[in-house]
Parts: sequence; structure tokens; C-alpha cells
Amino acid sequence: AQSVTQLDSQVPVFEEAPVELRCNYSSSVSVYLFWYVQYPNQGLQLLLKYLSGSTLVKGINGFEAEFNKSQTSFHLRKPSVHISDTAEYFCAVSDGDTDKLIFGTGTRLQVFP
Amino acid sequence: ETGVTQTPRHLVMGMTNKKSLKCEQHLGHNAMYWYKQSAKKPLELMFVYNFKEQTENNSVPSRFSPECPNSSHLFLHLHTLQPEDSALYLCASSQSPGGPEGNEQFFGPGTRLTVL
Repeated sequence: AQSVTQLDSQVPVFEEAPVELRCNYSSSVSVYLFWYVQYPNQGLQLLLKYLSGSTLVKGINGFEAEFNKSQTSFHLRKPSVHISDTAEYFCAVSDGDTDKLIFGTGTRLQVFP
Repeated sequence: ETGVTQTPRHLVMGMTNKKSLKCEQHLGHNAMYWYKQSAKKPLELMFVYNFKEQTENNSVPSRFSPECPNSSHLFLHLHTLQPEDSALYLCASSQSPGGPEGNEQFFGPGTRLTVL
């Protein structure tokens, strides 16, 4: 069965600094990968997704992620964060054959002024 | 209305009450999901419906009873809940399993449930 590991439960960072949120998944023949963001008291919103093609995926709000098959990773990056990026970030994986997404435990990004 | 909507947004109920959560998707999707999100716990998948048929019940207690009358609507009927059931309940929908979108799910804003 698929599994997702988000290694950092919290990431504190100062405004305008770069950030990387880490995500690793269990190996599979083919996977689809997603990053979602959740602001306080809201549902999850899709940031970006990898289905196929280019391994560098650009999403909303200046975020990007790189699919690395050999390292089974899909780390999320942003070169310069804003206070408004403070939120919970979830990595998720699907093998496309089932009707389920497997979510990681989430990473709380806290941006300080 | 667009996307996935959930009502009510907030609900406070006693342990002997019966209430229902409603979810509606306006995306033409065929699969719908209920998730439970508790503080400091991972997102828990509760139920999956695909073309109105339940395809997943993730060992959810019987005090939670889902209903999917059509592909656009999903309900979660609640009765005799416990305080530990207090959580954010999220509804989501997706096009269809195995499709070209890789099972991308679209989420509603959630219902914040408090059981007293």
C-alpha cells in the first residue's frame, strides 16, 4: 500500500526567506503526486500536482515541486515566502487505480516578520 | 454556487442529538468522500462513494451513517456521538478513479463539529 512521509511537522521561517517542505512516498510503478494547502478554518486547496511529463511542477502562489523518482521524493519549494503563506501543507499520493488519495501528516509552515 | 459546498459550517450538538452534515459538489464529479480532521492527527478517510455506491468504509463507528442519493450530494448523519468525535469534517469530490486527473480531489470548507 502507498504511504507518504512528511518529515517535518513544523517549519518556522522568516519572511522573504526560501523554504523547502519535504515529502517522500513509498515506491510504486506509477504515482500521481499532489500538494495541498490548508489555511485556518478552511478546507484543502490544491497547490500543484504531478501527473506525468516534466518533473518540475509549478503551482499557485509561487510554489513549485520537483518529482524525483530515484529518491521517491516530491519536495515543495518557494524562493521567498510571505506572511500569508502561513498554513498547513499536505503532500498526497495516488496510484491512479484506486479511488483514494493517501495523505501525509502535514507540515505547519509558520512565517515570521 | 461553485466547487464543493458544505453546510453547516459550524455545529454544536449534545451526545443524544441527531444531526446531519450536507455536502454538494457542482463540478460534475462521480466520486465523493468524507474525511475527519482532528487536532494533531492525520487526515482520516471515512467513506468513499463512487457513482453513488459506497466503495470504502474505513472502520467508521456506526454512529456515523453516510448517504449518497446522487453523484452531487453526500450526507453524513450523526447520532449519539461522543466528545472525541469533535473535529473538522471535510467533504471532497473527484472526477473518477483511474482517470487522467490522477484522482485529484476538490475539497469543501468543512464543518467544524463540537460534541458536548
